[in-house]
Amino acid sequence: AQTVTQSQPEMSVQEAETVTLSCTYDTSESDYYLFWYKQPPSRQMILVIRQEAYKQQNATENRFSVNFQKAAKSFSLKISDSQLGDAAMYFCACLPFGNEKLTFGTGTRLTIIP
Amino acid sequence: AAGVIQSPRHLIKEKRETATLKCYPIPRHDTVYWYQQGPGQDPQFLISFYEKMQSDKGSIPDRFSAQQFSDYHSELNMSSLELGDSALYFCASTFPGTDTQYFGPGTRLTVL
Repeated sequence: AQTVTQSQPEMSVQEAETVTLSCTYDTSESDYYLFWYKQPPSRQMILVIRQEAYKQQNATENRFSVNFQKAAKSFSLKISDSQLGDAAMYFCACLPFGNEKLTFGTGTRLTIIP
Repeated sequence: AAGVIQSPRHLIKEKRETATLKCYPIPRHDTVYWYQQGPGQDPQFLISFYEKMQSDKGSIPDRFSAQQFSDYHSELNMSSLELGDSALYFCASTFPGTDTQYFGPGTRLTVL
């Protein structure tokens, strides 16, 4: 079984600044994938970024990047140059290789301050 | 780009009624997943289908059933609805051989 922990229920950042959202996870699987999804007020679940655990290189998607520390089982999301449209609930999720079930954390609500 | 389609987007039912939620995966995606997100909660996995066969099962009540059809769309059938079934129900799909689940917009079910 997997557990995903997001210890920051809420975060806020000034527009154009950088913010880091924390996520830790626990799994007995040796191979797995990690994801960040965002859920804006529309409630749509939108994929932000994906990381394969066997890859040491941190994933990057434009202004979004991760800091993946496999030994520490940590998977934080950094958002650079924050924009008003980044305001959302952010969920960290874990998917063991060959598994179907995404296990989500409890989410971090990000507010962007104009 | 085409996305996962869910219908209806909103549904209001009375207790003990039945509801059917539909999901149309992204074209050429063959695996469908259902999740339930209660108010203020994270999404919880219900069930998944691959090539019309159930591939995994989570915390899905016995009152719920689901299937996947030959065109890969899926339906979630919910009977004897309870107040606690009020939630956002997401469908997601994946392309063959990949792991990234793409979510639909969700169906908001309200049970009165």
